Amino acid sequence: LAKTTQPISMDSYEGQEVNITCSHNNIATNDYITWYQQFPSQGPRFIIQGYKTKVTNEVASLFIPADRKSSTLSLPRVSLSDTAVYYCLVGVHQGGKLIFGQGTELSVKP
Amino acid sequence: IAGITQAPTSQILAAGRRMTLRCTQDMRHNAMYWYRQDLGLGLRLIHYSNTAGTTGKGEVPDGYSVSRANTDDFPLTLASAVPSQTSVYFCASSVRIEGYNEQFFGPGTRLTVL
Repeated sequence: LAKTTQPISMDSYEGQEVNITCSHNNIATNDYITWYQQFPSQGPRFIIQGYKTKVTNEVASLFIPADRKSSTLSLPRVSLSDTAVYYCLVGVHQGGKLIFGQGTELSVKP
Repeated sequence: IAGITQAPTSQILAAGRRMTLRCTQDMRHNAMYWYRQDLGLGLRLIHYSNTAGTTGKGEVPDGYSVSRANTDDFPLTLASAVPSQTSVYFCASSVRIEGYNEQFFGPGTRLTVL
């Protein structure tokens, strides 16, 4: 099972771009990289998923280098409501064992 | 559309008692999961089910059992609760959408074992 390593916490200010990097050195060929967001007292919510290169949706971008041993979640122009814990996961969905890790606690200040 | 519902919302339980946490989804997703979340440890997978009739062990399965009699329901049972099982429990289901897979989470059950 691929283990992920993320910074425990990050601080930012409103309007800034935030980049959270996740290391997954033993990622397997069939593994996808997925990021989730969790607010207090709520279940995690899917943000974005990718396999290689760059993926962009309406809320974030995901950058994955060629060796896939790391990935970076980019949140453009964060607001106070983006304060949450962000989890990087590596694994194959529909196959069970996804490991969440401790996540990165992002604090956005005014 | 309800999505995923969990019951109860919270529960205080005496050690040694049996407890079943309920999880129901109305999205017809094949795969379902149970996680526990403890402060400082993130979410840890307890059990999962890829499809009705099958289950598998996750990262921390000891002390828990699951069943998947149909697509919609995935109950988690603590046969004899212990204080270390005090946690917030999340149920999730997943679906493949346009080339990627997404897990949908329920609101959670806060369980306290005394």
